[in-house]
Amino acid sequence: EAGVAQSPRYKIIEKRQSVAFWCNPISGHATLYWYQQILGQGPKLLIQFQNNGVVDDSQLPKDRFSAERLKGVDSTLKIQPAKLEDSAVYLCASSLAGAGNTIYFGEGSWLTVV
Amino acid sequence: GQSLEQPSEVTAVEGAIVQINCTYQTSGFYGLSWYQQHDGGAPTFLSYNALDGLEETGRFSSFLSRSDSYGYLLLQELQMKDSASYFCAVTPAGGSYIPTFGRGTSLIVHP
Repeated sequence: EAGVAQSPRYKIIEKRQSVAFWCNPISGHATLYWYQQILGQGPKLLIQFQNNGVVDDSQLPKDRFSAERLKGVDSTLKIQPAKLEDSAVYLCASSLAGAGNTIYFGEGSWLTVV
Repeated sequence: GQSLEQPSEVTAVEGAIVQINCTYQTSGFYGLSWYQQHDGGAPTFLSYNALDGLEETGRFSSFLSRSDSYGYLLLQELQMKDSASYFCAVTPAGGSYIPTFGRGTSLIVHP
């Protein structure tokens, strides 16, 4: 079974530039998450989708971050304009719906803002 | 909201047993999970406790006590490859099933 796919794996941009990350979840997983992980910390949820609807985006900095999952499968996370503090790993994850289901993470997209 | 506390770092020697504790504050939750993350890698699921007690999976065991707001991950017969970060996460009650992660514990296994 294929895992969660993410791209690009690494990205370096200057502050105020924009960047987009792509995620393809495990086939059949209705729930998709984007987490931000700053070095030395645990993953912090940015947004959760159930199919193509947003379940929770309360921690997404909406003035600069946006995410979509138009057809309920792939998802894109965009940052515009980027700030230095956005340097982090952006982890996409997916799971079957419901509590207690295992969350499967992708390898992450490493962003460095200079 | 939820908050979780874990030690920042634990060291042990190969072959030993180590316990990583997690204390939490939450108004209600479905269960406590543990994830392992090697440097540069993705977090991978280790275990989930929905009920109080011990869950065993090979060399790894996880324990939950809801009355004490406490859980732990027990790693036995430590191997060098167990050097990684370990995160506890609570899945809060309320419908969204969104796990909240602790800051993680860095486990260093020495030969």
